Amino acid sequence: DAKTTQPDSMESTEGETVHLPCSHATISGNEYIYWYRQVPLQGPEYVTHGLQQNTTNSMAFLAIASDRKSSTLILPHVSLRDAAVYHCILRATGGNNKLTFGQGTVLSVIP
Amino acid sequence: AQTIHQWPVAEIKAVGSPLSLGCTIKGKSSPNLYWYWQATGGTLQQLFYSITVGQVESVVQLNLSASRPKDDQFILSTEKLLLSHSGFYLCAWSLQGPGEQYFGPGTRLTVL
Repeated sequence: DAKTTQPDSMESTEGETVHLPCSHATISGNEYIYWYRQVPLQGPEYVTHGLQQNTTNSMAFLAIASDRKSSTLILPHVSLRDAAVYHCILRATGGNNKLTFGQGTVLSVIP
Repeated sequence: AQTIHQWPVAEIKAVGSPLSLGCTIKGKSSPNLYWYWQATGGTLQQLFYSITVGQVESVVQLNLSASRPKDDQFILSTEKLLLSHSGFYLCAWSLQGPGEQYFGPGTRLTVL
């Protein structure tokens, strides 16, 4: 699976909209972009995923660049509960459904 | 609704002792099952995956083994623990084929 690059950390204030960037310049055509988040001592939580089109669900909006070399996870009106490590992961279809986690972005939310 | 349960919640074991960690998934038939491990301060690594009863594939070699004795059960074990086995063990499931994975609450293992 291709590699992703994320900032080590970001900070936001409660109620703001947060934009978490992810760069994946060598993404392949069959690779999906997945986002998970994890808080200490808990398992990762699925946030969203996409292939080419922007996607939205109750948790977040995923904006995917037209060339697919980057994406941005947008969290509207963040709360303290959104403080976590956010992982941007590429995964190809087929195979062992392996998720390769990196260090991710530590999102801090200030009251 | 699907539920995933892991046991024990936490374990403190001596080097050289055996280990058995368990995971069960309720409310979903024939899921893909996975074991992950995270060292303290480290990144999450996939260890094993299984797509059906009795079949387990190893992804990373850590002197651990896994088995799937039932459709809804996944076991991680070793006969001799090493200090390096300490960390956070997570079980996950997904539907057959590509798709999002859902993680359990995890087991914290300390090897002394």
